[in-house]
Amino acid sequence: SQQGEEDPQALSIQEGENATMNCSYKTSINNLQWYRQNSGRGLVHLILIRSNEREKHSGRLRVTLDTSKKSSSLLITASRAADTASYFCATDENQGGKLIFGQGTELSVKP
Amino acid sequence: EAQVTQNPRYLITVTGKKLTVTCSQNMNHEYMSWYRQDPGLGLRQIYYSMNVEVTDKGDVPEGYKVSRKEKRNFPLILESPSPNQTSLYFCASSLRSLGNEQFFGPGTRLTVL
Repeated sequence: SQQGEEDPQALSIQEGENATMNCSYKTSINNLQWYRQNSGRGLVHLILIRSNEREKHSGRLRVTLDTSKKSSSLLITASRAADTASYFCATDENQGGKLIFGQGTELSVKP
Repeated sequence: EAQVTQNPRYLITVTGKKLTVTCSQNMNHEYMSWYRQDPGLGLRQIYYSMNVEVTDKGDVPEGYKVSRKEKRNFPLILESPSPNQTSLYFCASSLRSLGNEQFFGPGTRLTVL
């Protein structure tokens, strides 16, 4: 089953611009997480937002969660070439221990 | 250093030859999980474990086995590998269940001929 689905699948921007990625999911969740993956490497956790939170910040990252629309967005401000990576959202299900990842957004930041 | 380790990192094998990919974490985490990553399909969960001796199927468990005899180790076993199990595999762990960030291993690239 595909829970989180990211949009767009690929995004290309210039350094200094903001990048926004969206994630939609289907079932109720307890929390939603965003991860980053550099090509072929392990995922690195960026931020976790709980279902009772609407917005969360971490450095240049801003995550919003709209449970009524079952969607989340990740905003990276003032992007850098080093932000080039794939970004995944991951959601839990209300019951059990499954964690479901979306297919990811491939971000390319050109210097 | 807190980390999740996987071995081997790269493996080429033949159809039907049993193999085990090891995963170990040194953070005393309760939750451990295996994922496979395929182009266009993202990460899919194979199996997860909420604690010692407790394992459950993820979304794509067919053809895989796991065990959790001790807290730090969570090996992935392919009893009879097939070419459709060629993939990039990741092990991950978190302190408790899914309300915590997952720490990922470096990945194991498996090719089944």
